[in-house]
Amino acid sequence: EAEVAQSPRYKITEKSQAVAFWCDPISGHATLYWYRQILGQGPELLVQFQDESVVDDSQLPKDRFSAERLKGVDSTLKIQPAELGDSAMYLCASSRGVAQLGTDTQYFGPGTRLTVL
Amino acid sequence: KQEVTQIPAALSVPEGENLVLNCSFTDSAIYNLQWFRQDPGKGLTSLLLIQSSQREQTSGRLNASLDKSSGRSTLYIAASQPGDSATYLCAVRKGNFNKFYFGSGTKLNVKP
Repeated sequence: EAEVAQSPRYKITEKSQAVAFWCDPISGHATLYWYRQILGQGPELLVQFQDESVVDDSQLPKDRFSAERLKGVDSTLKIQPAELGDSAMYLCASSRGVAQLGTDTQYFGPGTRLTVL
Repeated sequence: KQEVTQIPAALSVPEGENLVLNCSFTDSAIYNLQWFRQDPGKGLTSLLLIQSSQREQTSGRLNASLDKSSGRSTLYIAASQPGDSATYLCAVRKGNFNKFYFGSGTKLNVKP
C-alpha cells in the first residue's frame, strides 16, 4: 500500500539554526499539506499545495518558515532560524484533490519530531 | 473560523466495553468529516470518512455518524480491545481553500 514518506523522523537542533523537512506524497496525489502538531493538540495547517501552487499559507510564520513543491511532487519545509517554540511534530499529508471534495481523503506520513534546544 | 471540539479529552474503559467519542463543530457548511487514530509519536491513520450528504459510515467494529444540522459526529467503538488504545481525532473539511480543521482529540485507554 502506498504511503506518505517523511524524513528525518527526528531532529534535534539549537535555536537560531536552520532545519529542513522533506515529504514525498503518495504518487498521483495533487494536494499536499504540512501541519504542525503541538503535544496534546490537534494538527494545525501550515501550508497547502495544489500541484506546485500554494493555495493556503495563512498560518505559516513567513518570517522564518518557507515551503516549496517545485515540480508538484515532493516538498520541503524549512525553518530559519529555529526558535524554542517551534518544538513540535511536523506532519505531511496528501490527498488526490478530486473535484468532489466530499470524498477526498487525507493520508498522513509518520511525521518529524523537532526538538529545539 | 471553524471550531472543532472533542469530548471527553481522555477516557479509560475496561476491555470489552462499547464506547462513544464525540466531536462537535461550529459551522455546518462542511464537505466531509474524517475520523483518525494516532498512536504515540506517530502519524495519523484514517479510520472513516463521512461525506456531508451521508449520515453514517461503518468499518468493522467502528461506526461513525454525522448530524450536520446540529454540528455533531460520534465515533462508536464496539467491544473495545487494548489495541484500540490511542488518540482519536476528528477533522472537518470546509472553506474557500477546502481546509481541514482538527479537534484536539480524545485519548482512549482500554484496560485488559
